[in-house]
Amino acid sequence: KAGVTQTPRYLIKTRGQQVTLSCSPISGHRSVSWYQQTPGQGLQFLFEYFSETQRNKGNFPGRFSGRQFSNSRSEMNVSTLELGDSALYLCASKEESALSGELFFGEGSRLTVL
Amino acid sequence: AQSVAQPEDQVNVAEGNPLTVKCTYSVSGNPYLFWYVQYPNRGLQFLLKYITGDNLVKGSYGFEAEFNKSQTSFHLKKPSALVSDSALYFCAVRDGGDRDDKIIFGKGTRLHILP
Repeated sequence: KAGVTQTPRYLIKTRGQQVTLSCSPISGHRSVSWYQQTPGQGLQFLFEYFSETQRNKGNFPGRFSGRQFSNSRSEMNVSTLELGDSALYLCASKEESALSGELFFGEGSRLTVL
Repeated sequence: AQSVAQPEDQVNVAEGNPLTVKCTYSVSGNPYLFWYVQYPNRGLQFLLKYITGDNLVKGSYGFEAEFNKSQTSFHLKKPSALVSDSALYFCAVRDGGDRDDKIIFGKGTRLHILP
């Protein structure tokens, strides 16, 4: 099975712009979670989608949004970018039938905001 | 709400020595606990998990972790460290009583294995 695929891997934006990141989960996984990783804060939970519905949400401003499509692929969008949004954005999927629900991560999208 | 603490930002261990990376957690229900490893410019890789049963769980690459309910800890261990174990390690927790609960991660501990 192919793993979690995130695109693009690297991108550079300027303040005020917006960005869209894409995530394709492992085949058969219907849950997709997004995390922001920064050196000072570690991994912070953004949101989780399951069957096209947001199931959980972290404590991020409304500039951060996401959605999930019927094929379980997910996108996250950050509008009006700020310097502090520079981070590695990680997507993870999980199998709903698995009791423990461990996550399988993609390689991440590294966003630099200038 | 659940939380995870990794009290050490960095741990240095000589190659061949045993290593321990510490983790404590807080969760309202039954803890489901995880360890992940991250190598430079990569995503997180699953190492091991505790759901129920034996307090000592074994995982990938010779790692193991000990669940201690009274101390609310889940420390990662390895009997003999390798230079290739140098990486960033994350502990994570979710509430096992809530199937829809999100997984929360600690801030990570950077492990340096010295040759």
